[in-house]
Formats: sequence, C-alpha cells, structure tokens
Amino acid sequence: DAGVTQSPTHLIKTRGQQVTLRCSPKSGHDTVSWYQQALGQGPQFIFQYYEEEERQRGNFPDRFSGHQFPNYSSELNVNALWLGDSALYLCASSLGPFGSYNSPLHFGNGTRLTVT
Amino acid sequence: GQQLNQSPQSMFIQEGEDVSMNCTSSSIFNTWLWYKQDPGEGPVLLIALYKAGELTSNGRLTAQFGITRKDSFLNISASIPSDVGIYFCAGQDFGNEKLTFGTGTRLTIIP
Repeated sequence: DAGVTQSPTHLIKTRGQQVTLRCSPKSGHDTVSWYQQALGQGPQFIFQYYEEEERQRGNFPDRFSGHQFPNYSSELNVNALWLGDSALYLCASSLGPFGSYNSPLHFGNGTRLTVT
Repeated sequence: GQQLNQSPQSMFIQEGEDVSMNCTSSSIFNTWLWYKQDPGEGPVLLIALYKAGELTSNGRLTAQFGITRKDSFLNISASIPSDVGIYFCAGQDFGNEKLTFGTGTRLTIIP
C-alpha cells in the first residue's frame, strides 16, 4: 500500500525563478493538502484540493498556486521565488475534504526547497 | 500564521523515563491530533482525539483532549530510543480543512 509520495526530494532554485512540486496521494485518498514547514517550526497550511478545485487557502500569497489532476495527484507551483520560500514542502492526503474524523491526514516526506 | 504553543520546547531524558508535554491554544478546536516527525521525514500521526475530555492510548502513548477544548496533553511512558524526534500537536475545527500545528517539542534521550 503506497503512502504519499512527493518529488523531487530536494531542489535548489535561484531567487525569482519558478518551481513545481509534485505529490501522489496515498492509495484510496482523494484529497490533497499542502503545507510549508520552515526550519524549526511546525507546518503551515497552504491550501487543499478536492475534486480538482481549491477548497481552502491559508495565509499565502498568490505566488503559490496549485492543481489537482483527475487521478487525484497534485502540483504546487511557486512563482517569483523569494529567499524566504526556502522550506520543507509537505503534501498530505486524506479521504474526503474534512480529514481527521473519518480519515486523518497522512503526510509524505516532503520536498526540501532551497532558494539562493 | 498562527501556531499553537507547545511546552516544553525540548526535553532531555534518560531511557525508561516517562515524558509529558502539552499544547495550548487561544481558540477552541474540535479535533486534536498528535504527530511525530523524524529527521528527513514527514509527520506521522500518533493519536487523534475527537471529544472534549477524551483520553486515548496508543501503546505507551496516552493523549488527552482538554475539557476547555483549548489544550491537549501527550504522555509517553517508559521511553525508548526510537521515541527520539519532534512531537507536534495540531488542532482542527469542524468544517475547516486545515490543521493548525504547534511549535513542536524535541525529545532527546541521553545515553
């Protein structure tokens, strides 16, 4: 039973560039959430995708955008990268958009993004 | 963004000791979750709590959903080396997809 898989595992980009991160949810899950985890801090919610639509968004600028595909996989895009975007980007999946009660979030191992 | 307050920030204990940590919020949550994160990995769910006052165990781990809905506690009994890592609490509201995470408690076992 494959868990949540993310690619790439590490990425180095230059300030101003654009980046795309990818996520495949755990088998049987249809909802994907993205979180940003800065060094030494807890994850911060970016947004959630369900039925190929963004359902809820955290306090992140429009430079952060996403997409969900018919097979439930998802992409996170960040444009015009800032140094402060350097972080571990975590993808989490669940069955249904409200997670927890019926289906707690399962996290992938993340993509470590470094912006220089 | 908002983060829940966890204490202690770090703990240094000897193998076999019991561990207690807590998490507090300025707002009410309807679900409390505890995750553990090892280096280079994503958070792994340990315990989920859905009802105020609820006490739930998972092996040597026991967690409680505070009666005020603004706090939660995690206890680990008879710690072992694989307990080393960072423990995060997270709160969630009904009808709200996002989890709000705590600042984390780093657990280290001294040889």
